[in-house]
Amino acid sequence: GAGVSQSPRYKVAKRGQDVALRCDPISGHVSLFWYQQALGQGPEFLTYFQNEAQLDKSGLPSDRFFAERPEGSVSTLKIQRTQQEDSAVYLCASSLGRAQWRNSEAFFGQGTRLTVV
Amino acid sequence: GQQLNQSPQSMFIQEGEDVSMNCTSSSIFNTWLWYKQEPGEGPVLLIALYKAGELTSNGRLTAQFGITRKDSFLNISASIPSDVGIYFCAGRRIETGANNLFFGTGTRLTVIP
Repeated sequence: GAGVSQSPRYKVAKRGQDVALRCDPISGHVSLFWYQQALGQGPEFLTYFQNEAQLDKSGLPSDRFFAERPEGSVSTLKIQRTQQEDSAVYLCASSLGRAQWRNSEAFFGQGTRLTVV
Repeated sequence: GQQLNQSPQSMFIQEGEDVSMNCTSSSIFNTWLWYKQEPGEGPVLLIALYKAGELTSNGRLTAQFGITRKDSFLNISASIPSDVGIYFCAGRRIETGANNLFFGTGTRLTVIP
C-alpha cells in the first residue's frame, strides 16, 4: 500500500497476556518510530529505528516493552505481561530520511488500539 | 509526560470563523510541527517550521515559529466543516535530539455549519 500500515487495528488482551503489534512502513523509508497515545492525550515517543538499528529506546516505559525491525522494513512492538495501564493507541510512523533531516517528517499509520481487560 | 502546553483545549466555532490556537513550552525547541488527527486515524502533518520567526502557510492554515523558540501558533481562516478534528503541536528539543517528537495535549475543534 501507499501508506504506513498497522495491524491489528484493534486488540483486546487479558491482563498478563503478551501482545505483538505489527507495522509495515512505507517502502524504502529508512526511519521508523513507535508512539503511544493514551486516551485524550497527544502521542508519546517510545522508540526509533534507522534501518534495522534501534538507535533510541528511551521512551519505552518498562522492560516489558520490546521492539524490533530485523530486516530494516517491518517492525514489531511486543508487550509482555500486559497491564491495564498499557491500554492506549500505538502509532507507528516512518520517514524517508534519517530522523535529523529537515523536511523529512514522518507519516503516521492509523494505529493499533490496545485494550487490556 | 507532556512538555508542551496547548490551548485552548477545545473550541466550538461557526463555519466561516477564523481559529487561533497556540503552544508554549518552558524549553527551547528547534522544530515546531502542527498535526491534525481525525477519529480512528493517525496524525497528519499540516505545517513544519524550522527557524525562529518563520511564518508558513498551507492553504487556509498559517503557523509561526515564535522568536523565543518556546512557542508556536496555528491559525485557520474561514473554517469549514471538514476542519473538525484534534490539532496537535509537536516539537523537537535540541537536548533530546531529532528522534524524539514531543506532542501537546491537543485542541479539539468543532465547526458548526
